[in-house]
Amino acid sequence: DVVMTQSPLSLPVTLGQPASISCRASQRLVHSDGNTYLDWLQQRPGQSPRRLINQVSKRDSGVPDRFSGSGSGTDFTLKISRVEAEDIGVYYCVQGSQWPWTFGQGTKVEIK
Amino acid sequence: EVQLVESGGGLVPPGGSLRLSCAASGITVSSYWMLWGRQTPGEGLEWVAGVRHGGGETHYVDSVKGRFTISRDNAKNSLYLQMNSLRVEDTAVYFCVRDRIDWGQGTLVTVSS
Repeated sequence: DVVMTQSPLSLPVTLGQPASISCRASQRLVHSDGNTYLDWLQQRPGQSPRRLINQVSKRDSGVPDRFSGSGSGTDFTLKISRVEAEDIGVYYCVQGSQWPWTFGQGTKVEIK
Repeated sequence: EVQLVESGGGLVPPGGSLRLSCAASGITVSSYWMLWGRQTPGEGLEWVAGVRHGGGETHYVDSVKGRFTISRDNAKNSLYLQMNSLRVEDTAVYFCVRDRIDWGQGTLVTVSS
């Protein structure tokens, strides 16, 4: 199975400041169709997960442009350009390139 | 608007069975990968089972193979998860998911004597 490792696991942030989360896969995530199925999910307290980014860098509909994804191969990053109060929650990377699809452990973003 | 509404969770003793249902609206379940995922405080998120669009090829995580069965009813536009031989470690909130895009609100399954 592909192991997804996130860092940090806890991220205290200051409102208005940038934040960055790293995700490393144990294998390259390039699918046989040539695409890289690496997504980022946000889970706010008491809510279901919501996808923010798909295929490394594509923002889902309605996602603010302060969220961006980058990376390739085995190393990926989610960046928030200026953290807002509504961004508090847990962020997960998830790969859909090889079954079983697998999640990272989650990064808890909280206000300093 | 896509809506996925799960039902069927509850308390069951070890070795028991449950059938989860997911009623979909705003999408056609046969046109997408449909999955069940679960979440526990200790173990985080895990994909349990998936059924591919088109031919309906199914996939399971190793820990549930032979015990869980994913299926869909195209006429009812619904997804199901039949869970047999339940174990304490299957306790979790179970989510119905469309192709990693849309998530239901989840249904709690508790396996305990």
